[in-house]
Amino acid sequence: ETGVTQSPTHLIKTRGQQVTLRCSSQSGHNTVSWYQQALGQGPQFIFQYYREEENGRGNFPPRFSGLQFPNYSSELNVNALELDDSALYLCASSLGWRTPYGYTFGSGTRLTVV
Amino acid sequence: KQEVTQIPAALSVPEGENLVLNCSFTDSAIYNLQWFRQDPGKGLTSLLLIQSSQREQTSGRLNASLDKSSGRSTLYIAASQPGDSATYLCAGGGADGLTFGKGTHLIIQP
Repeated sequence: ETGVTQSPTHLIKTRGQQVTLRCSSQSGHNTVSWYQQALGQGPQFIFQYYREEENGRGNFPPRFSGLQFPNYSSELNVNALELDDSALYLCASSLGWRTPYGYTFGSGTRLTVV
Repeated sequence: KQEVTQIPAALSVPEGENLVLNCSFTDSAIYNLQWFRQDPGKGLTSLLLIQSSQREQTSGRLNASLDKSSGRSTLYIAASQPGDSATYLCAGGGADGLTFGKGTHLIIQP
């Protein structure tokens, strides 16, 4: 059983650029959610995808967007990067949404915006 | 809107002590409560998952309890070791994914 994998592990971008982060869900999981973790803070929910459709979104602007593919892998896209977007981005997969079964997290992508 | 609070924010204890980390949440309509461990600069490792119908879970030296009526969960660590040093996060599972606390930064002194 493979876990959640994220790529790349580290990334440096310039303010105003666009970035795509990738996530492969754990085998058998059909739901992927993304979180942003600033230094010293708990992770903040960005959005969630269930069977290729976004079905939940946190308090993030539209320049944060995503996709889920038929194999349940996912992408997080951030346009017009700002310095405050520098953070650890975490992907989690689960079996269903509104689930009692919990979430499995990847190791994260560290994004630095300069 | 769900809010999760963790107390204390930081804790430093000598090796061998038993300790309790506290987590409170405002909305009892959670599907589950998860405790995670995070090492510096790393992702989250799930320690214990308590489903909404359960009251506690145990794994080795760790025991977590859930009281939905009072909006509280506790993580009990027995016989602490230096390798337990990390940040511990609790999170409530709702319709919009997980809502996290800010974590308890734990240091176990050898």
